[in-house]
Amino acid sequence: GAVVSQHPSWVICKSGTSVKIECRSLDFQATTMFWYRQFPKQSLMLMATSNEGSKATYEQGVEKDKFLINHASLTLSTLTVTSAHPEDSSFYICSAKGTIGYNEQFFGPGTRLTVL
Amino acid sequence: GNSVTQMEGPVTLSEEAFLTINCTYTATGYPSLFWYVQYPGEGLQLLLKATKADDKGSNKGFEATYRKETTSFHLEKGSVQVSDSAVYFCALSESSGTYKYIFGTGTRLKVLA
Repeated sequence: GAVVSQHPSWVICKSGTSVKIECRSLDFQATTMFWYRQFPKQSLMLMATSNEGSKATYEQGVEKDKFLINHASLTLSTLTVTSAHPEDSSFYICSAKGTIGYNEQFFGPGTRLTVL
Repeated sequence: GNSVTQMEGPVTLSEEAFLTINCTYTATGYPSLFWYVQYPGEGLQLLLKATKADDKGSNKGFEATYRKETTSFHLEKGSVQVSDSAVYFCALSESSGTYKYIFGTGTRLKVLA
């Protein structure tokens, strides 16, 4: 149990385009989802927290207009990187917390974004 | 604010050596503590966890004990294998609000045959 998937696992796009990353909880309902960013050889940095049906809460320094987060259902959250630029290239990881475990987050496998 | 401090890496060991990766934390309340492992190009895998003081988490030969008096959660393994080579992250879950996770910087472990 407690499986979280991400799609796509990797994506390459041109500068200026938008990219959408999906995060799904497969066998539980995710009342809260988290989006992290990880630069090479660095730790995970929390970008935002989203609760189902409400607006995401962004961490300080994260541009909410650039990183659009939607959590429209209890099993799906999406992160859209708008007008991507090479500096947005990174490993994006989502996690979900909900009806399983005790406030424990379950992590997706990550999505590697490369912006040319 | 809450924080997690891990020992700097990389840590290089010979196969069958004893492993310790230090982790200390600063937190209000009673956080849960975790160790995650990340293999190259992959996401995070939960290695072990402890939810209250004096709890010992264990998995695959790894152990860590939640020490409230020293605010520590050191990871240990008695005999490492080449397959243990990975990056290890210590993390805490805040004990209120959205229960955000705070991660340490990660410690890269390399085990040589």
